[in-house]
Amino acid sequence: AQTVTQSQPEMSVQEAETVTLSCTYDTSESNYYLFWYKQPPSRQMILVIRQEAYKQQNATENRFSVNFQKAAKSFSLKISDSQLGDTAMYFCAFMRYTGNQFYFGTGTSLTVIP
Amino acid sequence: GAVVSQHPSRVICKSGTSVKIECRSLDFQATTMFWYRQFPKQSLMLMATSNEGSKATYEQGVEKDKFLINHASLTLSTLTVTSAHPEDSSFYICSARGPGTGLTYEQYFGPGTRLTVT
Repeated sequence: AQTVTQSQPEMSVQEAETVTLSCTYDTSESNYYLFWYKQPPSRQMILVIRQEAYKQQNATENRFSVNFQKAAKSFSLKISDSQLGDTAMYFCAFMRYTGNQFYFGTGTSLTVIP
Repeated sequence: GAVVSQHPSRVICKSGTSVKIECRSLDFQATTMFWYRQFPKQSLMLMATSNEGSKATYEQGVEKDKFLINHASLTLSTLTVTSAHPEDSSFYICSARGPGTGLTYEQYFGPGTRLTVT
């Protein structure tokens, strides 16, 4: 079974600073996908970034980047130049390459302080 | 991008009644839809997976007779909470994906439905 662990229930960061959210996972699969989703107060789930496990290069999307360490089964999210609109719950998620089910972590509540 | 809608966004019902929540893929055909439940400040818990034209697959611990799922068309799945009780109060989220595997067709989430049972 796949498990996803987010060890930081709450975090805060000053506006314009950088913050890193941690995620580890456990799987016996060799091919899979990893995601970071954002859930703002509206509760709408928004895809932030995704990573294919077979790609060694870390994914980046504007101010968002990941540090994917496959051997360590670690998938952290770095948010640069934090903005007030980044305040949200962030969920790390795993999906098997041949599956379609998400396995979500418990989430990290991020607050950006003005 | 692909859009998934849910209706209603909020619903209040009395204990013992049934309530139906609709999940629609607006601009793509969703062969598979997922229903999640989320308690306050907690993660999403997968309840069931539904494939168009076939019976839903429920996760362990989810009562299939209480949470009826119908995926009758490629754009619509419904979740009916039967004989609702206050403990069924929660936030219900659906997601939808098209045909294929892997990331060819991603999952897209609806905005969620807040159910309150009084």
